Amino acid sequence: QKEVEQNSGPLSVPEGAIASLNCTYSDRGSQSFFWYRQYSGKSPELIMSIYSNGDKEDGRFTAQLNKASQYVSLLIRDSQPSDSATYLCAVGVGGGFKTIFGAGTRLFVKA
Amino acid sequence: GAVVSQHPSWVICKSGTSVKIECRSLDFQATTMFWYRQFPKQSLMLMATSNEGSKATYEQGVEKDKFLINHASLTLSTLTVTSAHPEDSSFYICSAQGTSGSVEQYFGPGTRLTVT
Repeated sequence: QKEVEQNSGPLSVPEGAIASLNCTYSDRGSQSFFWYRQYSGKSPELIMSIYSNGDKEDGRFTAQLNKASQYVSLLIRDSQPSDSATYLCAVGVGGGFKTIFGAGTRLFVKA
Repeated sequence: GAVVSQHPSWVICKSGTSVKIECRSLDFQATTMFWYRQFPKQSLMLMATSNEGSKATYEQGVEKDKFLINHASLTLSTLTVTSAHPEDSSFYICSAQGTSGSVEQYFGPGTRLTVT
């Protein structure tokens, strides 16, 4: 059973702080990794994709991938109250054409 | 780019009736579309994967005769919930992968189904 594990949270950080979200996965053959943001009552929105070991930065977001440790993380710098949402880690399996989602981490950014 | 629409955004139906949900990729062609269901405060549950012109692949435990999926073109997939019951009430979300070989999925806004 291929799995993606996330801490359900909630993770609470003050406005302006760095939020760190973590994810581990079980399928060593996975090559594609994604972070989605889901606001309450809405569908997921893709915010980052990463395919190679190391860091990938996009604005306030940095995704980090360590395939040896089967670990993916998302850092949100200068967190804003509008970042409060559930963040879903997703891993491509079966050549990437199917995606397994974690249960999500709820993030609260306090003003 | 990569916009996916769903219609309707919400629907209320009586128990025993059928409901059809449409998923369209508006600005790209989708080789593969996925249908998910999400209950309150739970994660996404993949129901089925559909490829244009072929039969959908259903996940274990999902009744293919109850949840009919048709992927008629590279921009349209439909999910029909047949003989709906109150336990089918949920948030149904589709996603699409493009034909360019990218494995990224882009989600539609979802359809909230309530069966009374």
